[in-house]
Amino acid sequence: NAGVTQTPKFQVLKTGQSMTLQCAQDMNHNSMYWYRQDPGMGLRLIYYSASEGTTDKGEVPNGYNVSRLNKREFSLRLESAAPSQTSVYFCASSAVSEQYFGPGTRLTVT
Amino acid sequence: DQQVKQNSPSLSVQEGRISILNCDYTNSMFDYFLWYKKYPAEGPTFLISISSIKDKNEDGRFTVFLNKSAKHLSLHIVPSQPGDSAVYFCAASAFYSGAGSYQLTFGKGTKLSVIP
Repeated sequence: NAGVTQTPKFQVLKTGQSMTLQCAQDMNHNSMYWYRQDPGMGLRLIYYSASEGTTDKGEVPNGYNVSRLNKREFSLRLESAAPSQTSVYFCASSAVSEQYFGPGTRLTVT
Repeated sequence: DQQVKQNSPSLSVQEGRISILNCDYTNSMFDYFLWYKKYPAEGPTFLISISSIKDKNEDGRFTVFLNKSAKHLSLHIVPSQPGDSAVYFCAASAFYSGAGSYQLTFGKGTKLSVIP
């Protein structure tokens, strides 16, 4: 049972480049989330998907887009990366309150 | 406006002693509270939770206390072990009907160091 998986684990981008972070869960959860973690800032919600076919903005959505491809997969896209998007990105899924997290993607934008 | 606050960025405790991590919240809509543990280069993992209708929940060495009137919760680890050294995040949950999902609001974390 893999839980929540994320790819890639590490990525370096130049300013202006685009990329998609992938997330998949095998727990049959309806809700999925994308967070970013910055030093001293805790976890901040970027986007979430309450169920397949729906997505909504979280606390810090600017510069990001998401796609809920199916019940298992939820991707995060950076269309034009900026140095301010250097962060660690976590995907999570949940059935009710308790969320299960993936191992994270460490992204550096130069 | 920070709705969940962990006022201690770090805490050092001797092995075998008690670790007490604190968390305060402001939003009365929160009805479920969770603690997550995070090691470097890993995702947060769920540790223990408590519903707002309870004031205490125990799981082995870990106990969470909730004081609803003070909007305060604490995590007690007894006895503390070196393997407990990690960042601990407090999180508060509410169901947002418009969004159709539960959402967590996280504190900024407390880094616990257990000294052998």
